Amino acid sequence: DTGVSQDPRHKITKRGQNVTFRCDPISEHNRLYWYRQTLGQGPEFLTYFQNEAQLEKSRLLSDRFSAERPKGSFSTLEIQRTEQGDSAMYLCASGAAGGPLGPQYFGPGTRLTVL
Amino acid sequence: GQQLNQSPQSMFIQEGEDVSMNCTSSSIFNTWLWYKQDPGEGPVLLIALYKAGELTSNGRLTAQFGITRKDSFLNISASIPSDVGIYFCAGQGGGSNYKLTFGKGTLLTVNP
Repeated sequence: DTGVSQDPRHKITKRGQNVTFRCDPISEHNRLYWYRQTLGQGPEFLTYFQNEAQLEKSRLLSDRFSAERPKGSFSTLEIQRTEQGDSAMYLCASGAAGGPLGPQYFGPGTRLTVL
Repeated sequence: GQQLNQSPQSMFIQEGEDVSMNCTSSSIFNTWLWYKQDPGEGPVLLIALYKAGELTSNGRLTAQFGITRKDSFLNISASIPSDVGIYFCAGQGGGSNYKLTFGKGTLLTVNP
């Protein structure tokens, strides 16, 4: 199975610490997305990459958040100086090249708990 | 911004019953997608719809893209216990707007 993978699956950290998550998309997909999901809600868009270029960022992505996709393959999402409000499931999705209407396939997510 | 209203919020049904859930939007979408999410996992794509009026099936699942492009529904026929989970609709605006906008989900419980 070569679906989207995310690491780690769970992360518990103390407030003020930095955390970094990794996403490996489906190998032939050039589009990569990050979403955040809190309890009882649907996923909310954070940012979008096409190859290595970050083309769109949500207002949810504060200055403490940064995402990279340096070689157009895997991506990392870093949160600096974590706050309790950052506790959520962070989801990565990837999509194929071509027209913009292709579906997005999600990974299993990284559950972040900030104490 | 775009908002999706998904209903019902939750459903409790008996095994074998049919289920229907829907999403409405205040804005037009070019693509509608339906996902299922199990606890602690990411959403799994069920059906993708690309044209207004399109009706698409995937096994016991059928979904339609509304003619107005502001709504979609998902039907599940002859439900089974493994259908339990949270079902999300998601719309994509198209063009340069690649992000998905999700509803709040429908929690489905199937009693065997």
